[in-house]
Amino acid sequence: AQSVTQLDSHVSVSEGTPVLLRCNYSSSYSPSLFWYVQHPNKGLQLLLKYTSAATLVKGINGFEAEFKKSETSFHLTKPSAHMSDAAEYFCVVRGLTGGGNKLTFGTGTQLKVEL
Amino acid sequence: NAGVTQTPKFQVLKTGQSMTLQCAQDMNHNSMYWYRQDPGMGLRLIYYSASEGTTDKGEVPNGYNVSRLNKREFSLRLESAAPSQTSVYFCASSEISGEPSSGANVLTFGAGSRLTVL
Repeated sequence: AQSVTQLDSHVSVSEGTPVLLRCNYSSSYSPSLFWYVQHPNKGLQLLLKYTSAATLVKGINGFEAEFKKSETSFHLTKPSAHMSDAAEYFCVVRGLTGGGNKLTFGTGTQLKVEL
Repeated sequence: NAGVTQTPKFQVLKTGQSMTLQCAQDMNHNSMYWYRQDPGMGLRLIYYSASEGTTDKGEVPNGYNVSRLNKREFSLRLESAAPSQTSVYFCASSEISGEPSSGANVLTFGAGSRLTVL
């Protein structure tokens, strides 16, 4: 079965310090992976996506993620956090299952950015 | 630049009441989707419409019905609301025709509708 695990439900960083949001996936076939961000009272917005091209993917607002097949991970990083990054982040995997392609959302990581 | 618009933003219902959540997109997208978001469970697909005139069940369709009124609009109806349907509902759309996981599908989401069933 396909699954995605976001290892931290809450992450707190200081403004200007690096951000690391962890995501591990399980998929029988080569997956496509996405990160979405949800600001308070807003819908989800695509940050970046991996679809079997370059393993290091750059997204909007300075975020990037690296696909590591050996570790089944797709962690989201940013070198320097900004107050406006405070939001909930969702890792999403798309892969083949017994019934065909399926999109599976992680349970989310709430990022808090402090002064 | 409206994107995906959902109404209402908030609603409180009593058990057994019915209501319809409305969704409209102005991006000429082919596919539209309804998700529910519950704490600790991520987003789960209720129903989707791969193209105008078609609808299909997702992971958690029980207790819901949908209508793809035209290319722009996709409504979600609760005929007899239950407390288990208390959730935040998101409508989404995508340019690519098909289920949410097809091709290089990227979803554009509405701002959500928070529903409480007492």
